[in-house]
Amino acid sequence: SQTIHQWPATLVQPVGSPLSLECTVEGTSNPNLYWYRQAAGRGLQLLFYSVGIGQISSEVPQNLSASRPQDRQFILSSKKLLLSDSGFYLCAWRPGRSFNEKLFFGSGTQLSVL
Amino acid sequence: KQEVTQIPAALSVPEGENLVLNCSFTDSAIYNLQWFRQDPGKGLTSLLLIQSSQREQTSGRLNASLDKSSGRSTLYIAASQPGDSATYLCAVKEGSNFGNEKLTFGTGTRLTIIP
Repeated sequence: SQTIHQWPATLVQPVGSPLSLECTVEGTSNPNLYWYRQAAGRGLQLLFYSVGIGQISSEVPQNLSASRPQDRQFILSSKKLLLSDSGFYLCAWRPGRSFNEKLFFGSGTQLSVL
Repeated sequence: KQEVTQIPAALSVPEGENLVLNCSFTDSAIYNLQWFRQDPGKGLTSLLLIQSSQREQTSGRLNASLDKSSGRSTLYIAASQPGDSATYLCAVKEGSNFGNEKLTFGTGTRLTIIP
């Protein structure tokens, strides 16, 4: 069966520090991968998605970047965090063969930038 | 721009009751709609996915319906249990543009089942 791992679960970082969140998927190949952010009281916002190794699409301009160095690994990064980067970050995947496939989420990372 | 609304924001019902959660969207040109469940501080779990050509999907005590023309979906939960307490979110996939991976999410309905 397929599983998705996301870490860390909680992170407290000072403003201006770098960020690296990692997500890996097991039990499948060539998944579509996604990074979402959930801010308090707001809906989920798609940040990045990837349909293959090295292929990254950004939905919104921001202080963050994403990379996919391996088929089942997706990394969210920042060189200098801002206060506004605080939020709940969720990695997700779905089979790439069809849009009519459910989206599977990781357990999330609660990021607090102080 | 697609907007997804879920009303009410919070709902409390006694255990055993049947209940309906609502989701409305402004642009009826959707590809599919998903209902998710989110427990506090956790990720989302996909419950049901309804394709644009479908009217409803069922899984156990859950039934989701879709009326594209009116821009509405409902999630029906039968015989509610305390374990159903969670936030329920709906999300729509827009159009059929292959390059458009975006799901537009509602802000959810926080459901509390009272034992």
